[in-house]
This record gives sequence, structure tokens and C-alpha cells, in this order.
Amino acid sequence: AQTVTQSQPEMSVQEAETVTLSCTYDTSESNYYLFWYKQPPSRQMILVIRQEAYKQQNATENRFSVNFQKAAKSFSLKISDSQLGDTAMYFCAFMNSGGSNYKLTFGKGTLLTVNP
Amino acid sequence: GAVVSQHPSRVICKSGTSVKIECRSLDFQATTMFWYRQFPKQSLMLMATSNEGSKATYEQGVEKDKFLINHASLTLSTLTVTSAHPEDSSFYICSARDRRTVPSGTFGSGTRLTVV
Repeated sequence: AQTVTQSQPEMSVQEAETVTLSCTYDTSESNYYLFWYKQPPSRQMILVIRQEAYKQQNATENRFSVNFQKAAKSFSLKISDSQLGDTAMYFCAFMNSGGSNYKLTFGKGTLLTVNP
Repeated sequence: GAVVSQHPSRVICKSGTSVKIECRSLDFQATTMFWYRQFPKQSLMLMATSNEGSKATYEQGVEKDKFLINHASLTLSTLTVTSAHPEDSSFYICSARDRRTVPSGTFGSGTRLTVV
């Protein structure tokens, strides 16, 4: 079974600065996806960024980028130029792309607070 | 983009009654839908996976007779909490998978259930 670990329960950052959220995972699979989801106070789950394991290039989406280290099974999220609207719970998630059930395994989350 | 509508957003019911939560994919056909439960300040816990036209697959420890899931069409899945008790109070979230795009699915906005 896959496990996803987020070792930072809470983090804070000043507006306009950069912050990195950590995520490690454990799997014996070779083909999989990794995701970062954002859950603001509204509790709507929003996909921030995804990474296919077979791609060596790190995914980027505007101010959001990942550092994907497959051998180390690490998948950190970097948020640049932090904005007040980035305040949310962030979940790292794993999906095995080789199977047919498409289940997501979530980490416990990191609560990020962006301070003015 | 893919949109998932979940209804109701909030519901209060009396102990012993049943409550139905609907999850609809508005602009795509969802062959697979997922139901999650989330306790305050915790991660999402997968309850069950439903495939259109077949019985739902429940995760270990989830009572299938208490949490009835129906996925009768490609755009609608329902979760019925039967004989609800206060300990069933929680935040329930659905996710629908659009096989044309991101395999992780799109989330509904969630339902806050309070059993009194």
C-alpha cells in the first residue's frame, strides 16, 4: 500500500516571500501521478499541480512549482510570491496510474498561513 | 473545465433519520465517482468508489449498510446516510473522474452533515 507523509503540520510565510512544503511517499509502483491540492476555508478541494512519475521535468503552474525527486520519493511544492489567498490547507496526494481504480492517497496536510 | 455539483452544502437532521447527498458531473460523463469523509483539521478519508451501473466498492471499516451509494447514471451518484447518529456528523466530499482529462478527478464543494 502507498503512504504519503507531510511532515509539516503548519507553516507560515510573509506575503510576497517564497515557501516550500514537503511531501514524501512510499510505493513499489513505477508508474504513478503525484498531486498537490489546496483546500481553502471554503473547503473546496482545488488541484494546484500534478506530476507524472515518468516525466523528469518538474511541473510548474505560474507561481507554483514542484521539486520531484523520484529516487528519493520526494515531491515538494514551492510557492513563489506568496499571496494572502494562498492561505489554505495543502494536501499532497498519490495515485497509481497502472491500476484501474484511480484512488487518491492523501497526506495529512500542511496548514499554510500567509501573513500580510 | 470539468464541474462537479454537490448538494446540499449543509444539512441538519435528527438522529435515526436518513439523509441523501447528491453528486453530479455537469459537463462530463463520470464513469467513476469517489466519496470521502473529512473530520475537522484532518485529511480526506476515502469511503467508497462507485462505478456507473455496478455496486460500490467500500474501503475497509466503512459500513456499506449505513452508507448507501448509488451510481445509477454517468452523471449522478448519491450517498445516503441511513439511521444517522451524531457520530456521523462530518464533512462529506465527492469526486468525479473525467476519463478525458486529469485522472485524479474533480471535487464537489462538500456537504456538512450535522446530526442532532
